[in-house]
Amino acid sequence: NAGVTQTPKFQVLKTGQSMTLQCAQDMNHNSMYWYRQDPGMGLRLIYYSASEGTTDKGEVPNGYNVSRLNKREFSLRLESAAPSQTSVYFCASSGLTSGGSYEQYFGPGTRLTVT
Amino acid sequence: AQSVTQPDIHITVSEGASLELRCNYSYGATPYLFWYVQSPGQGLQLLLKYFSGDTLVQGIKGFEAEFKRSQSSFNLRKPSVHWSDAAEYFCAVGPYSGGGADGLTFGKGTHLIIQP
Repeated sequence: NAGVTQTPKFQVLKTGQSMTLQCAQDMNHNSMYWYRQDPGMGLRLIYYSASEGTTDKGEVPNGYNVSRLNKREFSLRLESAAPSQTSVYFCASSGLTSGGSYEQYFGPGTRLTVT
Repeated sequence: AQSVTQPDIHITVSEGASLELRCNYSYGATPYLFWYVQSPGQGLQLLLKYFSGDTLVQGIKGFEAEFKRSQSSFNLRKPSVHWSDAAEYFCAVGPYSGGGADGLTFGKGTHLIIQP
């Protein structure tokens, strides 16, 4: 049981290049999320997918696209990277607990630098 | 719109001393509250959560938090800190219902420094 996995761990891009961040979870969760973390800003929600086949914008969606490939996988794409997208990106998934509450589980993060 | 405020950007505490990290939230419905911890270069680990019931909740690593609805607060406490507690701490709020499908709103974090 690996939980939430992300690839790659580190990436350096030049301005204008594109890339896709991959995320997978093995907990059979319906909901998945992409956050970015910047110094002094906490985590901000980029996009989320409440269930397979649906995606919605979060707080900071500009410059990103997402794909919920299946229940396990949720990818984040930067079509034309900009220096402002230099950040640490976290994927998370959420599922109900036996007590009726829910918890979000986070991946280890991808550190992206755009030069 | 919901928001979370962590008033202290940095806190320095001596090892063995008690700790309280503050969190205030603004939320239009019944909130579901979390504290996460992040060690340098790592992902986020859930310390504890308040969903319903007893307003004093216990978490991992000896942490506890108290939900005070009248003050819109969810402060994190530990009676005696250890050097390994040095980390970034995040408070977050989410919807009570819906399984949290819409994601969480995080505070900006409090950086905890432990002095020997």
